[in-house]
Amino acid sequence: QSALTQPPSASGSLGQLVMISCTGTSSDIGAYKYVSWYQQHPGKAPKLLIYEVDKRPSGVPDRFSGSKFGNTASLIVSGLQAEDEADYYCSSYAGNNNYVFGTGTKVTVL
Amino acid sequence: QVQLQESGPGPVKPSGTLSLTCTVSGGSISTSNWWSWVRQPPGKGLEWIGEIYHSGSTNYNPSLKSRVTISVDKSGNHFSLFLSPVTAADTAVYYCARVIPGSLYFDSWGQGTLVTVSS
Repeated sequence: QSALTQPPSASGSLGQLVMISCTGTSSDIGAYKYVSWYQQHPGKAPKLLIYEVDKRPSGVPDRFSGSKFGNTASLIVSGLQAEDEADYYCSSYAGNNNYVFGTGTKVTVL
Repeated sequence: QVQLQESGPGPVKPSGTLSLTCTVSGGSISTSNWWSWVRQPPGKGLEWIGEIYHSGSTNYNPSLKSRVTISVDKSGNHFSLFLSPVTAADTAVYYCARVIPGSLYFDSWGQGTLVTVSS
């Protein structure tokens, strides 16, 4: 199974919107609603942001949202804050009791 | 609030066996959750290694399956990872995580532990 494809980097100014894509195949993202997103600050463990494509756990700000179309999922961060500067990873169930992660995107707040 | 904590003996020599334990606190390991291992080589992305249920059922990443074993100790409320034989490419931060059944995402993570494979 190959890693899901994400852009290596994305950036935006404070208060702006940033969108991160996550491209898979018809065997993972295209086949299931089980897409999740994680935020990781340097030296820290990943933190869940979005699950089941567009659901937000309690405590996650509503400026984080998710969507999916075909084999591509997206994470949108609206109203960018300084603390949003981090690495972001998507993940998808890939069938046959397997999971696959994305290549990761580094978000820089300008 | 469940908490996970990885622990292990430290550096591993090439061709040796990597062994790590994830201790679960604040809840029982014998719930409907699966329990996973995920790793991250320095400066690189995340890779799912495998998972275990309290019954002992396991699922592994096909790319690592021949070298990986995950076991569970219900009385000790922990689960373990064994990877053998290792090479320098297995140097990574290893995380344990809880998988939510039915929704298939990782909701709780340990802090991670760096395992270095070096002679």
